[in-house]
Amino acid sequence: AQRVTQPEKLLSVFKGAPVELKCNYSYSGSPELFWYVQYSRQRLQLLLRHISRESIKGFTADLNKGETSFHLKKPFAQEEDSAMYYCALQGGSEKLVFGKGTKLTVNP
Amino acid sequence: NAGVTQTPKFQVLKTGQSMTLQCAQDMNHEYMSWYRQDPGMGLRLIHYSVGAGITDQGEVPNGYNVSRSTTEDFPLRLLSAAPSQTSVYFCASSGLPGTSYGYTFGSGTRLTVV
Repeated sequence: AQRVTQPEKLLSVFKGAPVELKCNYSYSGSPELFWYVQYSRQRLQLLLRHISRESIKGFTADLNKGETSFHLKKPFAQEEDSAMYYCALQGGSEKLVFGKGTKLTVNP
Repeated sequence: NAGVTQTPKFQVLKTGQSMTLQCAQDMNHEYMSWYRQDPGMGLRLIHYSVGAGITDQGEVPNGYNVSRSTTEDFPLRLLSAAPSQTSVYFCASSGLPGTSYGYTFGSGTRLTVV
């Protein structure tokens, strides 16, 4: 079974501080992992996928298969980063399964 | 290039009414999915499709029907609406692995059942 856990419902940091949004997954095979972002009342947008190993808007995420984690990190948070962040997993089937999300608030 | 288009954007239904949420994509994607988004619950998969004529149930399929007669369209039907179906509904599509980067989402349909 595919399962994604985001342990923090809410995360609040100050502008310029580092931020880490946690994501743990459960899947017996080799999953494809994603981070999606949803700004206030907008559609979900793909932020990162682990295969590409990109840095988007200063965010990075590394897949740790030993710890089954895919944490999202940014060294210096900006106010415009305030949003809902969802970790998602696509396993052997074609369906995409989401965690419950973390609401990030970056305070001035 | 419109991407994923959902209609309507807002809808109010009375308990027991039926309706269809429309979803269309113009990217020739094979995979399409419907999710509902509720506070504190994240996005839960309702139904998904891996191609025309093929659909399967997700995590919360009860009360919803789907069909996929064409690659482009994936409508979601509520046969007898209930207040528990009040939610924001998102449709998403993706190409085959290696051909696209993750799922692309529509802008959502905000449904209220009274």
